[in-house]
Amino acid sequence: GAVVSQHPSWVICKSGTSVKIECRSLDFQATTMFWYRQFPKQSLMLMATSNEGSKATYEQGVEKDKFLINHASLTLSTLTVTSAHPEDSSFYICSAVGTSGLTGELFFGEGSRLTVL
Amino acid sequence: KQEVTQIPAALSVPEGENLVLNCSFTDSAIYNLQWFRQDPGKGLTSLLLIQSSQREQTSGRLNASLDKSSGRSTLYIAASQPGDSATYLCAVSTGGFKTIFGAGTRLFVKA
Repeated sequence: GAVVSQHPSWVICKSGTSVKIECRSLDFQATTMFWYRQFPKQSLMLMATSNEGSKATYEQGVEKDKFLINHASLTLSTLTVTSAHPEDSSFYICSAVGTSGLTGELFFGEGSRLTVL
Repeated sequence: KQEVTQIPAALSVPEGENLVLNCSFTDSAIYNLQWFRQDPGKGLTSLLLIQSSQREQTSGRLNASLDKSSGRSTLYIAASQPGDSATYLCAVSTGGFKTIFGAGTRLFVKA
């Protein structure tokens, strides 16, 4: 199946700093990627839809200035958590729609665990 | 607004048992439904994808069914093994591949 890679897999940062998480589709092109946030023992919450070459679409309640998304190429989307605070600590997961676009099958990265001190 | 519910929230079974995980959704206008597996601290692994026009999909010991009109899907796991222990997530996609997830079922298979 299609492979999606996330980096870093975990990161610890100080409060007030910014952290960038990368999501790459390794063996296919993804015009659309999605970013999710998962709190402990909870399900995934969609944060935003990342479209190559255009602005991301954010879900209600997600601060677009806080969570900057860039999808500059067909294989890379980035999520930058700006001025991170402890409440931003979470597990962030990205997904991409496979090349068989008609099926809409989603492939997920391994996730990135962010801890803000 | 689409809502996805999974029952039970947790399940513990002895090895070898057949089991059924349930997923229900409120809006039948879906594009597809996908079942995922998530191990602790890890990302998601796709298990089965059912298009809205399909009734079921099978992969090895897994069988997923879809009844769009009633807003239900089931994941059947045959002859469960300790390695099947994980959280199973049901996800429904609507137009634009926007996906809504259920809260998951945490499965523990005892050796």
